[in-house]
Amino acid sequence: EVQLLESGGGLVQPGGSLRLSCVVSGFTFSSYAMSWVRQAPGKGLEWVSAISGSGVGTYYADSVRGRFTISRDNSKNTLYLQMNSLRAEDTAVYYCAKRLLTGTTGRAFDYWGQGTLVTVSS
Amino acid sequence: QSALTQPASVSGSPGQSITISCTGTSSDVGGYNSVSWYQQHPGKAPKLMIYDVSKWPSGVSNRFSGSKSGNTASLTISGLQAEDEADYYCSSYTSSGFVFGTGTKVTVL
Repeated sequence: EVQLLESGGGLVQPGGSLRLSCVVSGFTFSSYAMSWVRQAPGKGLEWVSAISGSGVGTYYADSVRGRFTISRDNSKNTLYLQMNSLRAEDTAVYYCAKRLLTGTTGRAFDYWGQGTLVTVSS
Repeated sequence: QSALTQPASVSGSPGQSITISCTGTSSDVGGYNSVSWYQQHPGKAPKLMIYDVSKWPSGVSNRFSGSKSGNTASLTISGLQAEDEADYYCSSYTSSGFVFGTGTKVTVL
């Protein structure tokens, strides 16, 4: 059974930092690209960042580029999101999500974690 | 990376069919056959319903179907059921990552 479990969310002051983790099981982690997707309270989904299976390729939304860093440790089946210079508008539930397939097909997310809430407030 | 445009709400009676549109640009929806659709019930994680415009993931009902014409993709729900009441989001691959739609609340009357 595929499982994704996020952790690391919490309350942080504006300008602060937080690191999210996503531990996965049930599939060959290193074979799949992974993403972080967030959802502000009462709002829609927003793609945040993606990383290739090897970890070499990383991609970011304009809203977080330069502040957030995605990484992975394939030996630990864990995905990370380092968030620096946090702003009030970064307040959201953060989901990790597994890409369905590799290559040019299956550019979608077939498994999602339960989400972890990040609140940026003084 | 502007969000794809979806209607805020769509409603229908049980048994009816409804269609949700998702409008983007030639840089996202129109440029790739990589449109996906997600269903999200309150307090739950999104669930993949359609990928690659019109393909079904394992376990998803064929009452859900997808299509695309130019820069607009569509999700049709046939034989509407009470459990279909949820928020629906489209998403498209882009050259720099992914973009989601604004979301549509489906109400079963």
